[in-house]
Amino acid sequence: AQKVTQAQTEISVVEKEDVTLDCVYETRDTTYYLFWYKQPPSGELVFLIRRNSFDEQNEISGRYSWNFQKSTSSFNFTITASQVVDSAVYFCANLRLKYIFGTGTRLKVLA
Amino acid sequence: DARVTQTPRHKVTEMGQEVTMRCQPILGHNTVFWYRQTMMQGLELLAYFRNRAPLDDSGMPKDRFSAEMPDATLATLKIQPSEPRDSAVYFCASGQLTSWAGELFFGEGSRLTVL
Repeated sequence: AQKVTQAQTEISVVEKEDVTLDCVYETRDTTYYLFWYKQPPSGELVFLIRRNSFDEQNEISGRYSWNFQKSTSSFNFTITASQVVDSAVYFCANLRLKYIFGTGTRLKVLA
Repeated sequence: DARVTQTPRHKVTEMGQEVTMRCQPILGHNTVFWYRQTMMQGLELLAYFRNRAPLDDSGMPKDRFSAEMPDATLATLKIQPSEPRDSAVYFCASGQLTSWAGELFFGEGSRLTVL
């Protein structure tokens, strides 16, 4: 069965600090996809990144980076030099026939 | 920009009343999902459709919830009769998941309050 665990329910950091959001997934499939979505206060979820199970390369996009490790079934998300605009709920998701989301991590970046 | 459109944005109703939420997916997308978001449960998958055919509705309380896609431009989620525990934000999302690798585009959600 698919399952996604985001153990951190809420994180608060001060602006310019780095922060890592954890995501652990469970799946029996060899082919699957992992995603991160951001839900700002407006409510609409926004896609951030996709990774397939065959691509363990880490990715960096500006201040965002993602670390995918199959050995630990983790797909962690790091924001470098956080900003107040990063405040949102972040969801990790696993896709294999259906899109299963974790419970989300609420990130508060304080000025 | 193409967007997923959901109506109504907010709905307050009394227990026992029928509620219908509507979603217009992005034109050309072949997959539509319905999710429910609550503080306690997070984002729960209720049902999803591919090419308008229901693929999985195991997340829905069958006795009171129903989901349909009468045509490619409309997905509906109906609750009858509604109960206070149904109070949540309901999201519709669509995607072009030809290889199940696609991203989802979410609507702004329908916030339902059942008194």
